[in-house]
Amino acid sequence: QKEVEQNSGPLSVPEGAIASLNCTYSDRVSQSFFWYRQYSGKSPELIMSIYSNGDKEDGRFTAQLNKASQYVSLLIRDSQPSDSATYLCAVGTGGFKTIFGAGTRLFVKA
Amino acid sequence: NAGVTQTPKFRILKIGQSMTLQCTQDMNHNYMYWYRQDPGMGLKLIYYSVGAGITDKGEVPNGYNVSRSTTEDFPLRLELAAPSQTSVYFCASNPGTANTEAFFGQGTRLTVV
Repeated sequence: QKEVEQNSGPLSVPEGAIASLNCTYSDRVSQSFFWYRQYSGKSPELIMSIYSNGDKEDGRFTAQLNKASQYVSLLIRDSQPSDSATYLCAVGTGGFKTIFGAGTRLFVKA
Repeated sequence: NAGVTQTPKFRILKIGQSMTLQCTQDMNHNYMYWYRQDPGMGLKLIYYSVGAGITDKGEVPNGYNVSRSTTEDFPLRLELAAPSQTSVYFCASNPGTANTEAFFGQGTRLTVV
């Protein structure tokens, strides 16, 4: 069974701090990695994608991928209350399927 | 752009009833997916399709059926609804290459009583 594991949280950080979200996956041949943000009662929306080892930065968001350790993370700098949401890690296993983790709930306190 | 549209947004079914969740996309995407999301859980793949006339089972297909007669539409059929099918259902699509994001509909919240 291919799995994607995340700490369910909640992760609570003060406004302006760095939030660090982590994800591990079991399928070594995974090729694509995504972070989705999901507000309560809403559908997931893509915030970052990463395909090769290293860091990828987009504004306040940085995705980090380490395929040897089967580990992907998301850093949110200068966290804002509007970042409070559930963050879903998703892994493309090749072919047409994407496996989602259960998500980490993030609370940013003003 | 409408993107991915799901109907209805909410529905209450009685045990044993049947219904069809509608999903349509206007982006000419080849790949379409149905997921369910239970409270506090991630998305579980029910069925997917890589093009008109082609469908396949995901992780949790039991109790569901799908069809894909056109590129745009990918309805999900629930036969003999059970309380275990109470969930939020999301339809998604992507252009058809493995490493691209999925675009999600707004979801259907289904309760079976």
